[in-house]
Amino acid sequence: EAQVTQNPRYLITVTGKKLTVTCSQNMNHEYMSWYRQDPGLGLRQIYYSMNVEVTDKGDVPEGYKVSRKEKRNFPLILESPSPNQTSLYFCASSLSGVGGVYGYTFGSGTRLTVV
Amino acid sequence: AQSVTQPDIHITVSEGASLELRCNYSYGATPYLFWYVQSPGQGLQLLLKYFSGDTLVQGIKGFEAEFKRSQSSFNLRKPSVHWSDAAEYFCAVVDNNNDMRFGAGTRLTVKP
Repeated sequence: EAQVTQNPRYLITVTGKKLTVTCSQNMNHEYMSWYRQDPGLGLRQIYYSMNVEVTDKGDVPEGYKVSRKEKRNFPLILESPSPNQTSLYFCASSLSGVGGVYGYTFGSGTRLTVV
Repeated sequence: AQSVTQPDIHITVSEGASLELRCNYSYGATPYLFWYVQSPGQGLQLLLKYFSGDTLVQGIKGFEAEFKRSQSSFNLRKPSVHWSDAAEYFCAVVDNNNDMRFGAGTRLTVKP
């Protein structure tokens, strides 16, 4: 089944403890992206990647890192999480571009709580 | 920068009634337009998209949307709502810089 898989689904952590949220897609998509979803703000893009080894900042990149060493994986790294990063996170992929033609396929989300 | 506005934060309709969710965008040219649905605890699923051509587009689950250039709108409609349509709906826009912007979302509640 074609899908984007995120792990974990739920995570509670403490301030300052490094964490990684994994994202993997099995559709050979070139484009991958991370969003955070907050009430009243919709989805805001954190980082995106047009292809392997090509990443760029979205609208809210502060406090996050990403890497794209392989086409299928696009992990999101929080080096020193803070409470304002408590949010619902989504990974998305698209065949190419910014989903301009094909639209995105989204993962099921990761609900992160930083205490 | 372009923006997407969904004026209604929350809408309640009765099962079987018609539905219209509003979406307005600010952009000079014709953007790519999308509607996504998010069921509770799930990711977003693409309902339909508009790029060019016929301004009335059909999507999955019986939804349709109409692009109106003069009003900068792309409203989502369904003639008869089912209880399973209760979800959050997001309008999104991609411009020719390949930036995708999402609206803040409209939560739909369906009354029995």
